Amino acid sequence: AQSVSQHNHHVILSEAASLELGCNYSYGGTVNLFWYVQYPGQHLQLLLKYFSGDPLVKGIKGFEAEFIKSKFSFNLRKPSVQWSDTAEYFCAVNAAGANNLFFGTGTRLTVIP
Amino acid sequence: DGGITQSPKYLFRKEGQNVTLSCEQNLNHDAMYWYRQDPGQGLRLIYYSQIVNDFQKGDIAEGYSVSREKKESFPLTVTSAQKNPTAFYLCASSLPSGQAQISGANVLTFGAGSRLTVL
Repeated sequence: AQSVSQHNHHVILSEAASLELGCNYSYGGTVNLFWYVQYPGQHLQLLLKYFSGDPLVKGIKGFEAEFIKSKFSFNLRKPSVQWSDTAEYFCAVNAAGANNLFFGTGTRLTVIP
Repeated sequence: DGGITQSPKYLFRKEGQNVTLSCEQNLNHDAMYWYRQDPGQGLRLIYYSQIVNDFQKGDIAEGYSVSREKKESFPLTVTSAQKNPTAFYLCASSLPSGQAQISGANVLTFGAGSRLTVL
């Protein structure tokens, strides 16, 4: 069975600090990888996704993530966070061709102005 | 604008009552999903449907039921058999996996959610 681990439950940063949120998954086959974000009071929305090709993917609002197959990881990064990045971030994975998307437990990011 | 509408936004239920949460989409997506979100547990899949009149159990289907009579609609019933129903429920839709792989976009679009509280 697939599973997704997000080890950071709550991260607090000052504005302009760099961000890295960890995501590891367990599945030996080909996977699709996603990061979703839930801003306060808003819908869950896609931040970025990886299907194939360049393992470094760029998403909205300056976020990027790197797929490292050997480490089963898909960490999310941003060089300089803003107060508006305060949100909950979810990593998700599904086996290529499958319908079920497995989510991590989420990481709450608080950015202090 | 296309999107997913969930209703009601807040719902209170007495123990022993069934309740139905509505989910409607106008995105022309074939696949629809119900997730449950609990603090510290992320999102867990309850049921999903790839096409009309067909649906599959997810990881935590016990105590829930669904129907898919129309492409646009995927209501979720929380039955009295669900032991811990208080939670935030999210509906989502996407292209089916076959099309998604071709287009490279098995991306879920989510509704705003329904918060169910059992009194």
